[in-house]
Amino acid sequence: GAVVSQHPSWVICKSGTSVKIECRSLDFQATTMFWYRQFPKQSLMLMATSNEGSKATYEQGVEKDKFLINHASLTLSTLTVTSAHPEDSSFYICSARGLRDRISPYEQYFGPGTRLTVT
Amino acid sequence: SQELEQSPQSLIVQEGKNLTINCTSSKTLYGLYWYKQKYGEGLIFLMMLQKGGEEKSHEKITAKLDEKKQQSSLHITASQPSHAGIYLCGADTGNQFYFGTGTSLTVIP
Repeated sequence: GAVVSQHPSWVICKSGTSVKIECRSLDFQATTMFWYRQFPKQSLMLMATSNEGSKATYEQGVEKDKFLINHASLTLSTLTVTSAHPEDSSFYICSARGLRDRISPYEQYFGPGTRLTVT
Repeated sequence: SQELEQSPQSLIVQEGKNLTINCTSSKTLYGLYWYKQKYGEGLIFLMMLQKGGEEKSHEKITAKLDEKKQQSSLHITASQPSHAGIYLCGADTGNQFYFGTGTSLTVIP
């Protein structure tokens, strides 16, 4: 199946700094990528949807100036948490949807996630 | 936003017992997915349902999608401790992909 990677898998940063998380589709072109956030014992919450080459669409309640999403190429999307604070500590997962031989254009492929801890 | 409700929110069962988790959408879905997860770890894909009335099984897990494609159930037969975790349904609306509220399953040996 299609593979999606995330980097880093775990990051600790100080309050006030910015952190960038990368999401890559390794063997297919991701026309759409999604970013999710998960708190302990809760489900995954969709933060934003990004289509390659266009601005991300943010879900209600998600601050677009705080969570910067860039989808500059068909294989890479980045999520930057700006001026991170302890309440931003969470588990972030990306997913990708795209086109490749022998995979459905409607299927989602998820990254392994990034655990962010802000001290 | 798409609302996707799961019930129950949590479930504790004795090993060997059967259980069912439900997922209900307020809109007709293009596709309904089931995943298993432990917090802080990636998602394990279980099954995808696309057609109304569709039913799929894998080992002791069976998932069904109703004819209207708005409700799905996940049934585990003869549960085992290895089935413990968070079960999430996911809905493809065509433009976005949302998750349900999640069901935490504990299986007592």
